[in-house]
Amino acid sequence: DAMVIQNPRYQVTQFGKPVTLSCSQTLNHNVMYWYQQKSSQAPKLLFHYYDKDFNNEADTPDNFQSRRPNTSFCFLDIRSPGLGDAAMYLCATSEVRGGSYEQYFGPGTRLTVT
Amino acid sequence: AQRVTQPEKLLSVFKGAPVELKCNYSYSGSPELFWYVQYSRQRLQLLLRHISRESIKGFTADLNKGETSFHLKKPFAQEEDSAMYYCALTSPTGFQKLVFGTGTRLLVSP
Repeated sequence: DAMVIQNPRYQVTQFGKPVTLSCSQTLNHNVMYWYQQKSSQAPKLLFHYYDKDFNNEADTPDNFQSRRPNTSFCFLDIRSPGLGDAAMYLCATSEVRGGSYEQYFGPGTRLTVT
Repeated sequence: AQRVTQPEKLLSVFKGAPVELKCNYSYSGSPELFWYVQYSRQRLQLLLRHISRESIKGFTADLNKGETSFHLKKPFAQEEDSAMYYCALTSPTGFQKLVFGTGTRLLVSP
């Protein structure tokens, strides 16, 4: 089944210790998104890649970076995690060639910061 | 500013009862509206979009531009409808950057 895969599903990191979350897709979609969802809150877009073009949301902290080495993979790097960065991180993909297209979500990675 | 409001955190109904999950939005222009659903232990997935004007799993949603609402309705709830429902909007142009509401948990009891 074509899908969006996120690894790991659960990640524990220490305060200030860099962490990387990964996302891969078999859908061959041209856009990949990263969302942050804190407890009882709405998913919030951090940034997205349209092909190789990186688009950062204005209010995404500098602490969050992303890499997309190829069509299939996208990484979320948190350089110095704080306690406030504990959240569910959702990766999504879509094929955007004009019009409205569905976003396909991965299962998420739950990040705990100790 | 773009915003989606779902006033109910939890909606609890009995099987066979009508369901209406409320969604209001603020957007300067004509957004595209969606309902996404997350069943227990499953990923977030699209339920329906307003431009399709279709009924999915018995659910419908009508965009009311005058009231800036996009409420999700189903005449007879089923237990398998129990899930978290998110209303979302996006600009009709650009890369479909979704703005989500905080979600409503629907619990359908037998």
